[in-house]
Amino acid sequence: QKEVEQDPGPLSVPEGAIVSLNCTYSNSAFQYFMWYRQYSRKGPELLMYTYSSGNKEDGRFTAQVDKSSKYISLFIRDSQPSDSATYLCAMRLRTGNQFYFGTGTSLTVIP
Amino acid sequence: DAGVIQSPRHEVTEMGQEVTLRCKPISGHDYLFWYRQTMMRGLELLIYFNNNVPIDDSGMPEDRFSAKMPNASFSTLKIQPSEPRDSAVYFCASRRGITVTDTQYFGPGTRLTVL
Repeated sequence: QKEVEQDPGPLSVPEGAIVSLNCTYSNSAFQYFMWYRQYSRKGPELLMYTYSSGNKEDGRFTAQVDKSSKYISLFIRDSQPSDSATYLCAMRLRTGNQFYFGTGTSLTVIP
Repeated sequence: DAGVIQSPRHEVTEMGQEVTLRCKPISGHDYLFWYRQTMMRGLELLIYFNNNVPIDDSGMPEDRFSAKMPNASFSTLKIQPSEPRDSAVYFCASRRGITVTDTQYFGPGTRLTVL
């Protein structure tokens, strides 16, 4: 079993829709949770990070962590065609440098 | 800053050939990471360096893979001999430090195809 599981999609939504992206994980020691956005033929770029449980909001994006369920989510409100990309979740232990990535969910927002 | 620079952007080679991928990290970043991305396995860490010293190479799949960082501004990932299953996108990333607020910046990747 991979440490981080993510539905690869693809996910296709109309412009303006609310998008929900999710990851589950098996290691309860993960403390830091991140979302990366990767446009086609580009490297991933950090979108948001959260520490431990709770919510964090940044503009149209909300990251949510539920450590009791080992489940994290990224919500995108009022989705735009420019949000079309692959979204990767990543996790890190409290110590150490290794990031554990999900396989990514491909999102297309249709104008 | 130009960001993390990788070369070549695309590489097509035949099985058995040696492949060398190159990376220039962001100036001032003490950490450099090499990743491999495939559809099946996602993004996997191969090796990372701190101040040019390899710290963790447990992700390197086999002895056919080797990585070096001769100075703070240059790193290579070499595959010898290459095999078709090595086909993937290889990313280099750099970070200034190890705190969670130190963002990891990825390069554009090298798309490797081994025939």
